[in-house]
Amino acid sequence: DGGITQSPKYLFRKEGQNVTLSCEQNLNHDAMYWYRQDPGQGLRLIYYSQIVNDFQKGDIAEGYSVSREKKESFPLTVTSAQKNPTAFYLCASSARGNTIYFGEGSWLTVV
Amino acid sequence: SQQGEEDPQALSIQEGENATMNCSYKTSINNLQWYRQNSGRGLVHLILIRSNEREKHSGRLRVTLDTSKKSSSLLITASRAADTASYFCATFITQGGSEKLVFGKGTKLTVNP
Repeated sequence: DGGITQSPKYLFRKEGQNVTLSCEQNLNHDAMYWYRQDPGQGLRLIYYSQIVNDFQKGDIAEGYSVSREKKESFPLTVTSAQKNPTAFYLCASSARGNTIYFGEGSWLTVV
Repeated sequence: SQQGEEDPQALSIQEGENATMNCSYKTSINNLQWYRQNSGRGLVHLILIRSNEREKHSGRLRVTLDTSKKSSSLLITASRAADTASYFCATFITQGGSEKLVFGKGTKLTVNP
C-alpha cells in the first residue's frame, strides 16, 4: 500500500534524553513535513524539506533536528533542548504545491 | 504564524443539519485545502480548490473560495454523527524559495445523534 508510515505510535522520553521519530513514505513525493499538535490546538510546522539533502526550519524548530538523506525518509529528533516536548507529532508529504498526505502520528510523552 | 484562521472554533449541531465553517487567510494563494482530523489521528485530505475556482463539490461537501476577501467556507450538508471531527484549512506559502503548508487552528465539529 502507498502511504506514509510513522513510528513508533507511542514514545516516552526521560528528561535529558534525545528521541527520534521515524517517517517513511513510498509516494515518491519530493516534499516532506513535520508538524507538532498540542491538545485541542492546530498544527505548527517544525521542519520541512523540499528535496533530498535540504531542509528548512518551520515556525517552532528550536529543540528539534531533522535529516533528509533519502527521498523516502525524514526522521525527526527531539533533543533535550526541547523543554516541553509532550505532544502529538505528525509527518506529511506532498508533490510540490499539491495535496499533502499525513501519517497516523506519534504521541511523545516526557516521563 | 498562522496563515489560515478558521471560525467558529467549535460548532455543535444535530444530525441532519448543515454545518458551515469559515477560513480566512492573509497572503496570495495558488490553492486552498481542507482537511479533517478525527481525535488522535492523522489528517485526511477532503478537498482542494484552486485560486481560479469559486466553488467545488465533493459528495456532501461544498467549498467556496473568495480570493478578493481572502476567505473560504466549507459546508457539510445533511450532517451525520460520523462527521464529528476537527476541520482545518491550509494554504501553501512561499518563503525563501521554498513552499510550506500552513494550517489554521481548526474548527471542532460535534454532530449530535
